[in-house]
Amino acid sequence: NAGVTQTPKFQVLKTGQSMTLQCAQDMNHEYMSWYRQDPGMGLRLIHYSVGAGITDQGEVPNGYNVSRSTTEDFPLRLLSAAPSQTSVYFCASSYSSGARGTGELFFGEGSRLTVL
Amino acid sequence: GENVEQHPSTLSVQEGDSAVIKCTYSDSASNYFPWYKQELGKRPQLIIDIRSNVGEKKDQRIAVTLNKTAKHFSLHITETQPEDSAVYFCAAGLRDYKLSFGAGTTVTVRA
Repeated sequence: NAGVTQTPKFQVLKTGQSMTLQCAQDMNHEYMSWYRQDPGMGLRLIHYSVGAGITDQGEVPNGYNVSRSTTEDFPLRLLSAAPSQTSVYFCASSYSSGARGTGELFFGEGSRLTVL
Repeated sequence: GENVEQHPSTLSVQEGDSAVIKCTYSDSASNYFPWYKQELGKRPQLIIDIRSNVGEKKDQRIAVTLNKTAKHFSLHITETQPEDSAVYFCAAGLRDYKLSFGAGTTVTVRA
């Protein structure tokens, strides 16, 4: 199993450009989410999905779109990049917690995005 | 929404000593409290978690305690080793896929 795979690992954008961060998992996890990590602010939830076709907003959704057409993939789209979106982005997946497991989040390696 | 505060932001301990990190949360409905460790340049990884029906949980040198009445939980690392140096995040929420994280504690273990 590759686990959670994110691409690209590094990206530099100009203000106003758009791009998509890709995330794929091969563990057949139901749940997927996107976090951004900024110094001194921990991990903040952007969007999450509880299954194919179902997405919802997290704590900081503005400026980002997501879709979940398959169980495996959960891309994050930046519509019009702004310097405030300079951050490290982590995709994570988990299976149903409770009877089936601990609910552990499995993170990708992260994508470092710089917006000039 | 849930708000998680974590203290201290940095912690330096002598190898072999104990380290304690404390977190408070705001939403009394939260019932899942994991701790993640992130080594420099790496992804966060779960080290221990606790659910609201349990007051304490231990795994070798790591333990977590939960006080639901006071809405705080703590991570205890005993007999610290150099490989314990990392950033530690607490989190709280109703479900694992919708967590609120603390700002993180940078732990440095001095040899």
